[in-house]
Amino acid sequence: GENVEQHPSTLSVQEGDSAVIKCTYSDSASNYFPWYKQELGKRPQLIIDIRSNVGEKKDQRIAVTLNKTAKHFSLHITETQPEDSAVYFCAASIWGGSEKLVFGKGTKLTVNP
Amino acid sequence: NAGVTQTPKFRVLKTGQSMTLLCAQDMNHEYMYWYRQDPGMGLRLIHYSVGEGTTAKGEVPDGYNVSRLKKQNFLLGLESAAPSQTSVYFCASSYSIGTLNQPQHFGDGTRLSIL
Repeated sequence: GENVEQHPSTLSVQEGDSAVIKCTYSDSASNYFPWYKQELGKRPQLIIDIRSNVGEKKDQRIAVTLNKTAKHFSLHITETQPEDSAVYFCAASIWGGSEKLVFGKGTKLTVNP
Repeated sequence: NAGVTQTPKFRVLKTGQSMTLLCAQDMNHEYMYWYRQDPGMGLRLIHYSVGEGTTAKGEVPDGYNVSRLKKQNFLLGLESAAPSQTSVYFCASSYSIGTLNQPQHFGDGTRLSIL
């Protein structure tokens, strides 16, 4: 079945620096890749998503890139702020239906003031 | 508009007890999901439903049952709770638009401890 690997598991940056989180997926038929942010004790919230017909998508300080050939996608956060500190999860859709996602194990991002 | 609401928020059970977790959504979503979240394991799909009256197994279905008698509700049952089922349980829902995946919206979670 689909497997999603996420790296690194923890990431610490200084405020104002950039942060990059990378994910690889195994199913070449995957076509939808969302990213979720989860603050401590809260629900996962969608921050950005990308479909397989697009190579890059931006939303203010957040961007996601997708390399279908290499089967990996990345989350880029620029000008990080302390409120960006959270756990970030990537996910990939499962071939055979539009209804399921497989999640990576998460990256704990800490932004130090 | 409450979105996805989970009941209860916390629960402590003894081994062998049973309970039902309730998920309700008011967004008229077709798809609903139950995940469990354990430290370092991400979100793992337990069961899901693509519409009223339908259910299907996810990645980790053993020990759980589900029902979707109404479109807005998705119930997760533990018939005989085991310590290995101690976890945080999240419900999610999404639209169905052809074969295009749509964002999943999550509830606040239920923290369940089995002693």
